[in-house]
Amino acid sequence: QQQVKQSPQSLIVQKGGISIINCAYENTAFDYFPWYQQFPGKGPALLIAIRPDVSEKKEGRFTISFNKSAKQFSLHIMDSQPGDSATYFCAASGANQAGTALIFGKGTTLSVSS
Amino acid sequence: DSGVTQTPKHLITATGQRVTLRCSPRSGDLSVYWYQQSLDQGLQFLIQYYNGEERAKGNILERFSAQQFPDLHSELNLSSLELGDSALYFCASSVEGLVSYEQYFGPGTRLTVT
Repeated sequence: QQQVKQSPQSLIVQKGGISIINCAYENTAFDYFPWYQQFPGKGPALLIAIRPDVSEKKEGRFTISFNKSAKQFSLHIMDSQPGDSATYFCAASGANQAGTALIFGKGTTLSVSS
Repeated sequence: DSGVTQTPKHLITATGQRVTLRCSPRSGDLSVYWYQQSLDQGLQFLIQYYNGEERAKGNILERFSAQQFPDLHSELNLSSLELGDSALYFCASSVEGLVSYEQYFGPGTRLTVT
């Protein structure tokens, strides 16, 4: 049973465009929703995270939008750059969810063309 | 650099063998998590330790075990290895306070079972 569903599986965006990746979760006990960025041969790096008490969080070109009633959240990358080309994972966690282990989506491979 | 270190970077071994993967958390982090990343299963949580004690278990096989030592470094032991155990194994650490769930990943160990 996949508790965090991520789409699309892959995404191609032109330089300067907006990249949007969506995730949906099932477990209402989740209360922490991070996004990770992973480059080939590297470990996942924490990009930005949100808690369900806010609907949006912005850090530089990266924004998380959160819809608690729909149990969905998304990552927006503004002014996408070739250096943003990587795999992005959404995740969810909660105090009652196997400690605070992260449940990951399947990942989205983003390619930003120059 | 996340501050989490993992050794070795690569490991090649034969079926039926046993290996040990090592992880040193960020300075001050009490919690260590182990994750497995494979193409078909994605990133999956294996086990969590907090200050030397097992905190939560995920999809960890009985052939796998882990421990966290008094200096907070952790080891993941994989035994009776099968071809399907070939994957990237990541360690992550967090402060594990009441507020922060932030997990920082190491560079991973790539295990190849032949």
